[in-house]
Amino acid sequence: SAVISQKPSRDICQRGTSLTIQCQVDSQVTMMFWYRQQPGQSLTLIATANQGSEATYESGFVIDKFPISRPNLTFSTLTVSNMSPEDSSIYLCSVDGGPGTDTQYFGPGTRLTVL
Amino acid sequence: GQQLNQSPQSMFIQEGEDVSMNCTSSSIFNTWLWYKQDPGEGPVLLIALYKAGELTSNGRLTAQFGITRKDSFLNISASIPSDVGIYFCAGGEGSQGNLIFGKGTKLSVKP
Repeated sequence: SAVISQKPSRDICQRGTSLTIQCQVDSQVTMMFWYRQQPGQSLTLIATANQGSEATYESGFVIDKFPISRPNLTFSTLTVSNMSPEDSSIYLCSVDGGPGTDTQYFGPGTRLTVL
Repeated sequence: GQQLNQSPQSMFIQEGEDVSMNCTSSSIFNTWLWYKQDPGEGPVLLIALYKAGELTSNGRLTAQFGITRKDSFLNISASIPSDVGIYFCAGGEGSQGNLIFGKGTKLSVKP
């Protein structure tokens, strides 16, 4: 499986500010995803990061709030914009496990606290 | 949308005991996945199931893809303290990217 790293691993931010989270994979992958995991909760898909085109967002998530970049097949960023305390969560990126499979592998996550 | 019912929500067991948890859905899935998440870490894939009826083992872990394609279980035999964590099931529709996660089973193991 791919080795996935995320930066930062954690951050404490003030409300109204924005934070950009980076996800780096050690090999080229077709699909990259961003999830949110609120405290004590399960994982919710925010969007699929598409290389060379706009991300595909799930219901309840919008580009203005969570802009995503995917400049190549090994890197993606997620920005959490105009943050509020409700955005305090773990943000996880994942990558697909190969063609024709639903398997996903996850990064270590970014723990965000908004004051 | 689709939902997964994962149970139990939490378990407190003695070291050496066997553990069983399961996920059920009202809809059919083409893939069932089981992940473990340790505190401060991302979920780690334990077992992936791709065929109805498939029974797969990974060390002390055994998981099965239900014959109806609407359920899956995970068994852990002879639990040890490092089994502590949260276990998530996930169902896939076969369209790469559309994974639905259960709410997790929090496992505590008493030495």
